[in-house]
Amino acid sequence: GNSVTQMEGPVTLSEEAFLTINCTYTATGYPSLFWYVQYPGEGLQLLLKATKADDKGSNKGFEATYRKETTSFHLEKGSVQVSDSAVYFCALRTKPQGGSEKLVFGKGTKLTVNP
Amino acid sequence: DSGVTQTPKHLITATGQRVTLRCSPRSGDLSVYWYQQSLDQGLQFLIQYYNGEERAKGNILERFSAQQFPDLHSELNLSSLELGDSALYFCASSVGGGFSYNEQFFGPGTRLTVL
Repeated sequence: GNSVTQMEGPVTLSEEAFLTINCTYTATGYPSLFWYVQYPGEGLQLLLKATKADDKGSNKGFEATYRKETTSFHLEKGSVQVSDSAVYFCALRTKPQGGSEKLVFGKGTKLTVNP
Repeated sequence: DSGVTQTPKHLITATGQRVTLRCSPRSGDLSVYWYQQSLDQGLQFLIQYYNGEERAKGNILERFSAQQFPDLHSELNLSSLELGDSALYFCASSVGGGFSYNEQFFGPGTRLTVL
């Protein structure tokens, strides 16, 4: 079936450090891929997305490239800030034939950035 | 603020009881999705309603049910509660019914604690 595996956290970094959160997926067909962010006490917000192979999603300094050959969608940021502290979820969108789309989420990776 | 509201914010109850969680979608959104977020299972899709009708079903237990009312707000009913039902329950809404991509906007969640 469809699934998403992302690196387990927690991840703790110092401000201005480089961030990578790994995400790989298993899916039939050609899913769309997403990163969502959940700040403390809030719901999930869409951070970025990519809808086809080799697409790069980017937002707020974060980037992720849809790699079909490695079934990956790793999240990166060159210089993290304290305000980036949150839980990050990788997700894929499946659309079974004749059915409605569904989002399948990874388990989330908690990032803490220290000043 | 996503525009999706959920009440109550917190709910504490006992095993065997029944509770109702409420969600109001963003203005103009016709779809409502329910998700359960727990430590062991991660974020799981439960059910989707579109314009009052059930559209898609995920890992929703038989003890759980949902409905969407004519004013498009939705309620998730959880009965015969067990300790393992303790989780954060999110509602999301989108404009369309899910047959093509529509961004889902998440509410802040209801934290359910079953004692």
